[in-house]
Amino acid sequence: AQSVTQLDSQVPVFEEAPVELRCNYSSSVSVYLFWYVQYPNQGLQLLLKYLSGSTLVKGINGFEAEFNKSQTSFHLRKPSVHISDTAEYFCAVSDRDTDKLIFGTGTRLQVFP
Amino acid sequence: DGGITQSPKYLFRKEGQNVTLSCEQNLNHDAMYWYRQDPGQGLRLIYYSQIVNDFQKGDIAEGYSVSREKKESFPLTVTSAQKNPTAFYLCASKASGGAGQYFGPGTRLTVT
Repeated sequence: AQSVTQLDSQVPVFEEAPVELRCNYSSSVSVYLFWYVQYPNQGLQLLLKYLSGSTLVKGINGFEAEFNKSQTSFHLRKPSVHISDTAEYFCAVSDRDTDKLIFGTGTRLQVFP
Repeated sequence: DGGITQSPKYLFRKEGQNVTLSCEQNLNHDAMYWYRQDPGQGLRLIYYSQIVNDFQKGDIAEGYSVSREKKESFPLTVTSAQKNPTAFYLCASKASGGAGQYFGPGTRLTVT
């Protein structure tokens, strides 16, 4: 069975500071990895995805993530955050056969001025 | 514009009533999904359908039912058997052979 662990439920950070949101997964098969963002009372928006190839993946809004197979991690990073980045961020994994997504419990990023 | 629509955005029902949540997509996606979101628990899969007239139970299907009569539509019925129906419900779709699901704006259901 697959699972996703987001190690931090909340991450407070000041505007223009760098941020890293951590995600670890467990799976016995090859997987796809995703980061989604959710603004209050809205659906989820796909930030970026790792399917294969380069382990550094660039997404929208200046975010990037690095796939580390040996550490089974897929941490999300941004070098300089904005107030508008305040949202809930979800890491997710799907196996390549079923297409079902397994989500972590989310990390709330709070950016302060 | 292509996308996924869910209606209504807010829904209120009395305990004991069945209620149907709408999900429509014009992305020509084959697969559609229903998730439930509760605070601090992330998203949990209720039902999914990979093709018209076929669907499978997800992790928390008890108390819910779905149909998939058209490619564009995947309505979810929350029955009176669902013990804790108050939640935020999200519908998603995915292209066949693609990776990554695309989500609708969600319906917040409150049952009192």
